[in-house]
Amino acid sequence: GAVVSQHPSRVICKSGTSVKIECRSLDFQATTMFWYRQFPKQSLMLMATSNEGSKATYEQGVEKDKFLINHASLTLSTLTVTSAHPEDSSFYICSATRTGTGTQYFGPGTRLLVL
Amino acid sequence: GENVEQHPSTLSVQEGDSAVIKCTYSDSASNYFPWYKQELGKRPQLIIDIRSNVGEKKDQRIAVTLNKTAKHFSLHITETQPEDSAVYFCAASKSVSSGSARQLTFGSGTQLTVLP
Repeated sequence: GAVVSQHPSRVICKSGTSVKIECRSLDFQATTMFWYRQFPKQSLMLMATSNEGSKATYEQGVEKDKFLINHASLTLSTLTVTSAHPEDSSFYICSATRTGTGTQYFGPGTRLLVL
Repeated sequence: GENVEQHPSTLSVQEGDSAVIKCTYSDSASNYFPWYKQELGKRPQLIIDIRSNVGEKKDQRIAVTLNKTAKHFSLHITETQPEDSAVYFCAASKSVSSGSARQLTFGSGTQLTVLP
């Protein structure tokens, strides 16, 4: 199979703090990982494309200095929400693409609540 | 860029009936169309996908059809069961340069409710 994990599954933080979310491909190597944000009853919106060993590519309207992405290995990408505010509260989901294929496998998501 | 529209936004069917969800896409270069099922608070799960060189694909009670000329594709679920209740998303993507992964553009989702 192709298993993708995320940690933490949910986090509550105070406004102004930073939160780091990890995305791991457990049984395959992923050159590319994607980060999505999903608000309640809405679709998945691509935030950025994370490529191992290079800078992430951000979608229009996503602040790269606020959502820091690091993809240091073929199995791990991290998303750090810096200086989080209540409007950043959302469900963050990563996906990983097995190198050489086009299929995206999704992590279980991280529910972020900023108070 | 690609734009994917999905209809209906909500769909209720009686158990045993069929359900059909339709999507249209705008980029004629798109050639890969997956469908995902997402239960509340959980990850999207790939249930079926189709590539542009095929017009139809079936997997047990689930089928997907693709009309490249009209740029639309549909998900068909037959003999629906209560456990089919979930949000379904269509998506579209196209081939990119070698070594790069496909980006998916998702539809807005359809909340399917199967009534017992």
